[in-house]
Amino acid sequence: AQSVTQLGSHVSVSEGALVLLRCNYSSSVPPYLFWYVQYPNQGLQLLLKYTSAATLVKGINGFEAEFKKSETSFHLTKPSAHMSDAAEYFCAVSGDQAGTALIFGKGTTLSVSS
Amino acid sequence: NAGVTQTPKFQVLKTGQSMTLQCAQDMNHNSMYWYRQDPGMGLRLIYYSASEGTTDKGEVPNGYNVSRLNKREFSLRLESAAPSQTSVYFCASVPRAGGATEAFFGQGTRLTVV
Repeated sequence: AQSVTQLGSHVSVSEGALVLLRCNYSSSVPPYLFWYVQYPNQGLQLLLKYTSAATLVKGINGFEAEFKKSETSFHLTKPSAHMSDAAEYFCAVSGDQAGTALIFGKGTTLSVSS
Repeated sequence: NAGVTQTPKFQVLKTGQSMTLQCAQDMNHNSMYWYRQDPGMGLRLIYYSASEGTTDKGEVPNGYNVSRLNKREFSLRLESAAPSQTSVYFCASVPRAGGATEAFFGQGTRLTVV
């Protein structure tokens, strides 16, 4: 079964600092990987996704993620944090077979201080 | 565009009561999901429907039933609510389950069972 593990339930950074949110996946075949963001009292929205077209994926709001097969990782980064980035971030995985469900990690809460 | 609409937004139930959470999407998507979100647990899949007429159990199906009423609507029923079912419930839809398709989420239903 496919799964993702997010390392660190809470990450705190200063405004302007590098953001690094970690995600490792478990899959017997190359998966499809996603990062979603949830702002307070809202639903989730897609930040970016890996589809095997390129290992470095750029998303919205200046975020990007790199797929590393050798490390089974898909970490999310942003060079310079902004106060508006404070939210909960979820890594998710899906398979290639039709009917495969979308499975989420436990989430990482990002706090940004001024 | 409405996207994914969940009703109600808030609900308080007494232990043992039943209720149905409604979800409708207007994007002509084939697949729909129900998740529950609890602090520190991320989003856990309750049930999903890969296509109209099919439903499958997810990670935490006990205590719930679902109905894929038609292509647009996917309801979640609690037959006898328990305090352990206090949670925020999210419905999502995707063009098709599996692959690199983006999931679209409703705003959530915050359920408290007393």
